[in-house]
Amino acid sequence: DARVTQTPRHKVTEMGQEVTMRCQPILGHNTVFWYRQTMMQGLELLAYFRNRAPLDDSGMPKDRFSAEMPDATLATLKIQPSEPRDSAVYFCASGLAGTDTQYFGPGTRLTVL
Amino acid sequence: KQEVTQIPAALSVPEGENLVLNCSFTDSAIYNLQWFRQDPGKGLTSLLLIQSSQREQTSGRLNASLDKSSGRSTLYIAASQPGDSATYLCAVNPRPNDMRFGAGTRLTVKP
Repeated sequence: DARVTQTPRHKVTEMGQEVTMRCQPILGHNTVFWYRQTMMQGLELLAYFRNRAPLDDSGMPKDRFSAEMPDATLATLKIQPSEPRDSAVYFCASGLAGTDTQYFGPGTRLTVL
Repeated sequence: KQEVTQIPAALSVPEGENLVLNCSFTDSAIYNLQWFRQDPGKGLTSLLLIQSSQREQTSGRLNASLDKSSGRSTLYIAASQPGDSATYLCAVNPRPNDMRFGAGTRLTVKP
């Protein structure tokens, strides 16, 4: 049963610390998406990749957030330095280019104190 | 800017009831519309996808309709069951890979 996996599932950190979230897309999928979900803003697209290249990261605060795909099996989202307003659930999703279906991971719940 | 609104924010119904969830969007120029289900502490699961050229899609007890001209979509759930309890999210794609989500409707189906 192919699934998107995300680690860690929960992360509590202090303001100013670096946070790295990881995502393993479904094998064979060539598009990867990062979303953030908060009570106030709902679900927002932060960035997405196709064939490991960033296609759109306009939803991501550039000064502290960075997203990369070191290889086809790993996507990372980093926050440095983290702030309390970054507290949210971060979802990764993957899919195949040319299709409209995205498969979501279980999310990383981030709390910045 | 595309705005997506879902009404009601929360809904509680007895088991067996038929129900309708509503989604409205401000810009009718959409690529497609999707309905998702989210269980507490979990990710999203795609339920139905309607292309801009389609009027409705059906899957089991679920039926989703799309009226682009009025900027509305409905998700109809027939014969609701306690297992249907979840948050249902509507998402509009103004273009491929650019989903804009509503805030969701939290559904509780009581046994």
